[in-house]
Amino acid sequence: AQKITQTQPGMFVQEKEAVTLDCTYDTSDPSYGLFWYKQPSSGEMIFLIYQGSYDQQNATEGRYSLNFQKARKSANLVISASQLGDSAMYFCAMRESHTSGTYKYIFGTGTRLKVLA
Amino acid sequence: DAEITQSPRHKITETGRQVTLACHQTWNHNNMFWYRQDLGHGLRLIHYSYGVQDTNKGEVSDGYSVSRSNTEDLPLTLESAASSQTSVYFCASSESRSRVVGTEAFFGQGTRLTVV
Repeated sequence: AQKITQTQPGMFVQEKEAVTLDCTYDTSDPSYGLFWYKQPSSGEMIFLIYQGSYDQQNATEGRYSLNFQKARKSANLVISASQLGDSAMYFCAMRESHTSGTYKYIFGTGTRLKVLA
Repeated sequence: DAEITQSPRHKITETGRQVTLACHQTWNHNNMFWYRQDLGHGLRLIHYSYGVQDTNKGEVSDGYSVSRSNTEDLPLTLESAASSQTSVYFCASSESRSRVVGTEAFFGQGTRLTVV
């Protein structure tokens, strides 16, 4: 069963507008972490933002914020004031516990964002 | 600065050949992971390791093997390369302590492998 679901294969947004990239997850573990990564056309994986399952407030990092709705098991990425350089593939990931103190990371299929001038 | 490096960056090999992709990290991380990235599939976990002499199979481990003889390196071996293994391969590492701030996975630059 898919543990991380990104239902938007591709999205367009106008420059300077805000955009939300959807991510839903599935886990029975009470302790988990949620991550968003950006992959520009050059191919590297860039960590953007992290949300812990016990965090009370939504994570923010500059223009990035994570809309964490625990009951709905969603962790949407919000990019405010989009820039041309935001055009990239975006991956949602979940850190899933293996044994005490060890983890593995499960990724979604990604959303390709194109920012229009 | 600590880093994680993969080599080679690009590789073309023939069907049936054994291929090894290298991954070296200087973060001193216990956890190391290998993923493959394919269009429509995102990143899928091949193998992972939580320390020296520890290895575990991921969701797409058939045809691949890893070994962990030291903390820094986790080489990925394709025993007999197949065209279905043409992909971009990423190595990653992470801290193992749950309370460390920013326990994200750090990624290498990727290796583009083509099997002909």
